[in-house]
Amino acid sequence: SQKIEQNSEALNIQEGKTATLTCNYTNYSPAYLQWYRQDPGRGPVFLLLIRENEKEKRKERLKVTFDTTLKQSLFHITASQPADSATYLCALDRPNSGYALNFGKGTSLLVTP
Amino acid sequence: NAGVTQTPKFRILKIGQSMTLQCTQDMNHNYMYWYRQDPGMGLKLIYYSVGAGITDKGEVPNGYNVSRSTTEDFPLRLELAAPSQTSVYFCASSLRENTEAFFGQGTRLTVV
Repeated sequence: SQKIEQNSEALNIQEGKTATLTCNYTNYSPAYLQWYRQDPGRGPVFLLLIRENEKEKRKERLKVTFDTTLKQSLFHITASQPADSATYLCALDRPNSGYALNFGKGTSLLVTP
Repeated sequence: NAGVTQTPKFRILKIGQSMTLQCTQDMNHNYMYWYRQDPGMGLKLIYYSVGAGITDKGEVPNGYNVSRSTTEDFPLRLELAAPSQTSVYFCASSLRENTEAFFGQGTRLTVV
């Protein structure tokens, strides 16, 4: 069955550094991959979408890569700020389910001043 | 735009009671979804709809029902609440395939 893995351990980094989060998947050939941010007690908020034929996508301080050979996506936040502290979710398209998303469990990021 | 609105935000139910979680969106999206999120777990798809009058089961549909009589509304019904249904429920919508999903703020449900 399809499996999505994100680092279960929280990532702690210092303000100003680059945070890198990993999403690995197996038994799967997604057409696209998305990243969401979730704050405590809130719903996920969309950040970036990357398609299978795209290697890299950027938006302001965010960068996503998508390696379909390695079955891996990396999510980077450059010049991180305490306000970036949240849980980040990787999501892939779910076949035969009305384009619903299949989510990883998320990685918690803590940026300290 | 309000986006996706869920009500209520919190609810405590007794075992065996029933309730409806409301979800409405004002973006004219055809696709709507219900997920549940348990601590330390990813979001699990309960039901989805690709348009008014069309619904289908996701990966964890047991104990739930849905309807989609209009484009805007996608209520989730719990008929006989069980402790295993204690969770946070999120409704989401999207315009079409390969586009971002918009989520509501969630309903935190406790069954005691």
